[in-house]
Amino acid sequence: AQSVTQPDIHITVSEGASLELRCNYSYGATPYLFWYVQSPGQGLQLLLKYFSGDTLVQGIKGFEAEFKRSQSSFNLRKPSVHWSDAAEYFCAVLTLSNSGYALNFGKGTSLLVTP
Amino acid sequence: DGGITQSPKYLFRKEGQNVTLSCEQNLNHDAMYWYRQDPGQGLRLIYYSQIVNDFQKGDIAEGYSVSREKKESFPLTVTSAQKNPTAFYLCASSISGQGVGDYGYTFGSGTRLTVV
Repeated sequence: AQSVTQPDIHITVSEGASLELRCNYSYGATPYLFWYVQSPGQGLQLLLKYFSGDTLVQGIKGFEAEFKRSQSSFNLRKPSVHWSDAAEYFCAVLTLSNSGYALNFGKGTSLLVTP
Repeated sequence: DGGITQSPKYLFRKEGQNVTLSCEQNLNHDAMYWYRQDPGQGLRLIYYSQIVNDFQKGDIAEGYSVSREKKESFPLTVTSAQKNPTAFYLCASSISGQGVGDYGYTFGSGTRLTVV
């Protein structure tokens, strides 16, 4: 089954510094990939998605992600982090089983932003 | 405003009791999903439904049951057979099963279930 791996459980960056969160996928064909963000005790909000075309995808809140087939990666980036970006970030891939479509999520990366 | 409503936000259950978590959407979405979230585990799929009166087991369906009698509603029952039910439960919907690839999910704000 299609899956994603987020190698970093926690990331700490200083406010104003750049950010890169890693996501690696396992899937033979071109995957449908997503990044979601979750604030504490809340649901998840879609940041951006990729399924074809331009490999650099722009999302909300100043985030972008780049699809690299050669590295099986879909890393999330932001040039300058704000304190409000502190949250949990999840990478996800669309999976198809005999029963239908669903998203398969990574285990998440917790982002801490320091002053 | 359209969205997904999960209720209650916090729920306490005694051991051996069944409890039902509510999920209602007014987005006219065909597909609905239940995920369980535990610290460090990400989101794991419990059940999903692509259309009314039909649903499929996800990766961790044991100890849970669902129904999909109406398009708007997809309640999840946590039964006494679920050995470790304390978790954060998230409901999501999508315009359709196939539409997940194009549009992703819309999530509710979650229900935190604690067994006491």
